[in-house]
Amino acid sequence: AQSVSQHNHHVILSEAASLELGCNYSYGGTVNLFWYVQYPGQHLQLLLKYFSGDPLVKGIKGFEAEFIKSKFSFNLRKPSVQWSDTAEYFCAVNLMDSNYQLIWGAGTKLIIKP
Amino acid sequence: KAGVTQTPRYLIKTRGQQVTLSCSPISGHRSVSWYQQTPGQGLQFLFEYFSETQRNKGNFPGRFSGRQFSNSRSEMNVSTLELGDSALYLCASSSGTGGQPQHFGDGTRLSIL
Repeated sequence: AQSVSQHNHHVILSEAASLELGCNYSYGGTVNLFWYVQYPGQHLQLLLKYFSGDPLVKGIKGFEAEFIKSKFSFNLRKPSVQWSDTAEYFCAVNLMDSNYQLIWGAGTKLIIKP
Repeated sequence: KAGVTQTPRYLIKTRGQQVTLSCSPISGHRSVSWYQQTPGQGLQFLFEYFSETQRNKGNFPGRFSGRQFSNSRSEMNVSTLELGDSALYLCASSSGTGGQPQHFGDGTRLSIL
């Protein structure tokens, strides 16, 4: 079955540290890729998306992600995190050839120490 | 443009009862998906409706059902409630085509006593 794996369930960083959250998926067909963020007490919102073209995509709040097709990966990065980045981050993969099923990762809880 | 609206925001029920949750998608969106979110299990996909038809389904028991109306509004029903059904139920809408991103509502917090 298709799946999305987020390698870390919990990540704790200090402010100004660099961030990379891993996301790998298992599906050989065409995909659209997403990262969503859920800040404490808020609803899930789109952070960034990849449909096609440049595999390096930029999102809101200084986040970016790189799609590496050969590795089935879509890792999220930020060069310097802030306390306000404390949130839960979800990777999601849309299976374009399979009824547009959206497969979700388990999420990564990110805590930034001030 | 109004966002995804879920009602009610909070609900308290007892075991054995049934409940219906409502979701109004963003205008023009034809796909509505439902999720269960709990601290222990994370985000679990229930089902997706597109143009009044269930298009995708997660691994939940038959007590969980849904439907979508011609105006794209959707309802989710849970029958014979169990304590383990206590969760935040999220609705998300999208255009439903081209793999467009989903837009989430604030959720309905369901507590089972």
